[in-house]
Amino acid sequence: GDSVTQMEGPVTLSEEAFLTINCTYTATGYPSLFWYVQYPGEGLQLLLKATKADDKGSNKGFEATYRKETTSFHLEKGSVQVSDSAVYFCALKGNDYKLSFGAGTTVTVRA
Amino acid sequence: GAGVSQSPSNKVTEKGKDVELRCDPISGHTALYWYRQSLGQGLEFLIYFQGNSAPDKSGLPSDRFSAERTGGSVSTLTIQRTQQEDSAVYLCASSSLRGLAGYSYEQYFGPGTRLTVT
Repeated sequence: GDSVTQMEGPVTLSEEAFLTINCTYTATGYPSLFWYVQYPGEGLQLLLKATKADDKGSNKGFEATYRKETTSFHLEKGSVQVSDSAVYFCALKGNDYKLSFGAGTTVTVRA
Repeated sequence: GAGVSQSPSNKVTEKGKDVELRCDPISGHTALYWYRQSLGQGLEFLIYFQGNSAPDKSGLPSDRFSAERTGGSVSTLTIQRTQQEDSAVYLCASSSLRGLAGYSYEQYFGPGTRLTVT
């Protein structure tokens, strides 16, 4: 079945550092890929998405490129802020309607 | 407009008791999903409703779990004879159906209900 593997955390960074969270997937067909973010005390929010190979999703300075050849969708941000501290989830939607999530990566940004 | 709302936000119950969790989807969204977020299992799909179609219950972990959706809107997730391993955050999401092109894949999540079974 469909599955998502993402980098284990926690990740602790200083402000303005570069952030990468690795995500790889296994799926049949052509899944859509997502990054969701969960800020402390809040619900899951869609951060960005990509629906086909080579698409780049971007939002709030975060980017991720759908790489079919490496089955990856790594999340990157060039300069993180304290407000980016959150749990980040990589997810895919395969041929049905369900989202399959990675385990989540906790990111803490220190001032 | 209003997002997905869930109630209660927190629920503490004793082992063996039944609990009901409620979800109000975004108005006009025809698809509704329940997920569970727990320390040991991450985020798991539980059940899916789409319009008047029979729900997909394939993710429900046991027959103690059931859900219904009344009038194509509000949904209730019921857990009977709760066990400690049921402790988790239960998340509801909804999405819209986009015409003949198929389902909108963007799911909007509620804040969740944190269930603690003592």
